[in-house]
Amino acid sequence: TQLLEQSPQFLSIQEGENLTVYCNSSSVFSSLQWYRQEPGEGPVLLVTVVTGGEVKKLKRLTFQFGDARKDSSLHITAAQPGDTGLYLCAGLYSSASKIIFGSGTRLSIRP
Amino acid sequence: EAGVTQFPSHSVIEKGQTVTLRCDPISGHDNLYWYRRVMGKEIKFLLHFVKESKQDESGMPNNRFLAERTGGTYSTLKVQPAELEDSGVYFCASSQDQGGDEQYFGPGTRLTVT
Repeated sequence: TQLLEQSPQFLSIQEGENLTVYCNSSSVFSSLQWYRQEPGEGPVLLVTVVTGGEVKKLKRLTFQFGDARKDSSLHITAAQPGDTGLYLCAGLYSSASKIIFGSGTRLSIRP
Repeated sequence: EAGVTQFPSHSVIEKGQTVTLRCDPISGHDNLYWYRRVMGKEIKFLLHFVKESKQDESGMPNNRFLAERTGGTYSTLKVQPAELEDSGVYFCASSQDQGGDEQYFGPGTRLTVT
């Protein structure tokens, strides 16, 4: 049983389009994180959201934490080929340091 | 500042053999974590060291896996004897503090058991 479900699993879109990736769970997390992973490398942290309803922006990327702190979304505006990669959502509980990862969304941006 | 390094980057062994993976955390990071991703699955937590002590080893799959961090610096993860289902990518991460402190991941070791 997977704690964090990501959708879609794969997404291929044209450069310049917008997209949203979703991360859903039945568990309440103290914080949610988004990572990006490139081939041959480990995950790299993009953002951490802590407060229910919180919205954070990182250039063309917008991250939102659900009000109930069970879900999150990542929206990319005007996608570019450099955005190609594996995007992972991850949850943390306040009582532990281990990261619970979602299955990932593999994003491909066509020039 | 050097990041988290892992050795080897790839390892191919036969079922029943022993393999030892090494992780060098970022200098000064007391917290060291091991994770792994097996084929088609999400990255899963294995264990967490604080200095040389095991803080949480709830993710270790079975007693064929042994993790050590003597001296609180680098860590090793030994698999003995390896089974086919142990194939995957093993990631190490380190952080300065516990809790929500950012964990920095190494590039991983790809283990293939044939």
